[in-house]
Amino acid sequence: DAGVTQSPTHLIKTRGQQVTLRCSPKSGHDTVSWYQQALGQGPQFIFQYYEEEERQRGNFPDRFSGHQFPNYSSELNVNALLLGDSALYLCASSIYRASPLHFGNGTRLTVT
Amino acid sequence: TQLLEQSPQFLSIQEGENLTVYCNSSSVFSSLQWYRQEPGEGPVLLVTVVTGGEVKKLKRLTFQFGDARKDSSLHITAAQPGDTGLYLCAGDPSNTGKLIFGQGTTLQVKP
Repeated sequence: DAGVTQSPTHLIKTRGQQVTLRCSPKSGHDTVSWYQQALGQGPQFIFQYYEEEERQRGNFPDRFSGHQFPNYSSELNVNALLLGDSALYLCASSIYRASPLHFGNGTRLTVT
Repeated sequence: TQLLEQSPQFLSIQEGENLTVYCNSSSVFSSLQWYRQEPGEGPVLLVTVVTGGEVKKLKRLTFQFGDARKDSSLHITAAQPGDTGLYLCAGDPSNTGKLIFGQGTTLQVKP
């Protein structure tokens, strides 16, 4: 039974560029949430997708957007990258928007 | 805004020692979760505490939820190097899967 899978594992981008991160949820899960985690800190909620719609959003600018596909997989897009966007981006899946969450191993984004 | 404050932020101890990590809030949570995260990996759920005063044990780890459901603690007995990692408490105030995390406690257990 595959858990949450994220791609790519690492990514290096330049300021001003755009990036797309991908996530496949755990089998049987229909809700995907995205978190940003700075080094040594707790994850911060970006947004949650359920039934292909954004259901909740954290305190992140509109440069952060997402999508959920009919197969429940999801993408996180970040436009106009800033140095401060460098972080570990975690995808988590769950059933019907409830916790607990199952996390992937994240995508490490470095913006130079 | 509901916040979770964890303490201490860093802990470096010798193998065999005991330790306690605290997670506090000024708000009531219907439940709290504890996760452990190793370098290069995502957080992994250890336990969920739901009832005020509840105590759960997971081998050498003991989790307690405060009577008022505003705080929780994690106690590790006879720590092992394999316990090294980032320990995170988290709450879901709206019960909709939007987790609020504490800032984490980085634990290093030296052999």
